[in-house]
Amino acid sequence: AQSVTQLGSHVSVSEGALVLLRCNYSSSVPPYLFWYVQYPNQGLQLLLKYTTGATLVKGINGFEAEFKKSETSFHLTKPSAHMSDAAEYFCAVSSDSGNTPLVFGKGTRLSVIA
Amino acid sequence: GAVVSQHPSRVICKSGTSVKIECRSLDFQATTMFWYRQFPKKSLMLMATSNEGSKATYEQGVEKDKFLINHASLTLSTLTVTSAHPEDSSFYICSARDAGGPPNEQFFGPGTRLTVL
Repeated sequence: AQSVTQLGSHVSVSEGALVLLRCNYSSSVPPYLFWYVQYPNQGLQLLLKYTTGATLVKGINGFEAEFKKSETSFHLTKPSAHMSDAAEYFCAVSSDSGNTPLVFGKGTRLSVIA
Repeated sequence: GAVVSQHPSRVICKSGTSVKIECRSLDFQATTMFWYRQFPKKSLMLMATSNEGSKATYEQGVEKDKFLINHASLTLSTLTVTSAHPEDSSFYICSARDAGGPPNEQFFGPGTRLTVL
């Protein structure tokens, strides 16, 4: 079984400040890890993903995440927050076996203060 | 890039009626589609996995007779909420997996907001 824990349902940062959204996972098989962003009343957009290879993954909009197996973590970061980054962020885990569905964390709402 | 559409984007219906939501992969073939439900300010809950040409696999606690899923082609899956009630009001999101694409990458539709009066 797989699961995801996102620490902090709401994170608030100042514009220009570092963004750090935390994600820890549990998986009995090698995980595939994803970060998605959701704007109000919209579907999910993929920010970045880790499957195999390089553990530091760069995504769209300046976001990146690092897979740390020893810590079972996949935290999302961005050096400088923009107002447009305000949204809901979901971490998800899957595996490479066939049609495994994504298991989502509960989400973290990011607010950016001017 | 891979695009998934949903129709309608928003629907309001009376209690007791049935509502059909369509999920289409526009530029790729999707042998598998997933249906999720999202309550306000909550995460996505997987309802069922829809496989082309076969019966859908429902998650525990999801009534298959209430949420009918049909995946008749490689580009279309439908979710029908039968005899809808106010507690079925929610945001329904589908995703599709590109049969020829990277493993386990899913492309999400924009969602359908269902309101049952």
